[in-house]
Amino acid sequence: DIQLTQSPSTLSASVGDRVTISCRASQSISTSLAWYQQKAGKAPKLLISDASGLESGVPPRFSGSGSGTEFTLTITSLQPDDFATYYCQQYNTYSLTFGPGTKLDIK
Amino acid sequence: QLQLQESGPRLVKPSGTLSLTCSISGASISGNNWWHWVRQPPEKGLEWIGEVSESGSTNYNPSLKSRINISVDKSKNEFSLKINSVTAADTAVYYCARSYSGSSPADYWGQGTLVTVSS
Repeated sequence: DIQLTQSPSTLSASVGDRVTISCRASQSISTSLAWYQQKAGKAPKLLISDASGLESGVPPRFSGSGSGTEFTLTITSLQPDDFATYYCQQYNTYSLTFGPGTKLDIK
Repeated sequence: QLQLQESGPRLVKPSGTLSLTCSISGASISGNNWWHWVRQPPEKGLEWIGEVSESGSTNYNPSLKSRINISVDKSKNEFSLKINSVTAADTAVYYCARSYSGSSPADYWGQGTLVTVSS
């Protein structure tokens, strides 16, 4: 199984800040990585696929980068709606896995 | 607009079988799509359970493989999940979801349903 780790596990920030969340894979997954946003009581929302492809309707303040084993989600100019938990997910193999999540809360 | 809706018993007894169905509206289960089950224990992270294609091909989480079965019913435009020998550790919100191919992430999700394993 491919394991994903995320850092930090919790991130406190203010509206207007720029934040970065990291995701590391235990082996190379090329660019087969997605980022999801999840709010309490709701289903995850797909933000980014193929490491850097922004999904339709997702604000451009969200961006993703990376390949191989190191990936990053960046949110520029945080908005109140962005405070949520973020998960990375790899789909490079027939057994998909999620990272443990990063909770982004208001400072 | 594709919509997914999970249904099934909300309470299952330990050692029993958890059974859920995902009803698809706004699209056909046929085609290149893959259909997923994902779960989330209370206050914990997401766990991918498995996926099924319209032809019935499946891929499962190795940690659950011995206890699960995912199947499709094209006549009803739905797919299902069964987990055998459940314990309290299987208590979770269960989501169904779709990916548009076998090598893409899930882009449409159901709202999720909480299943509790308890006597």
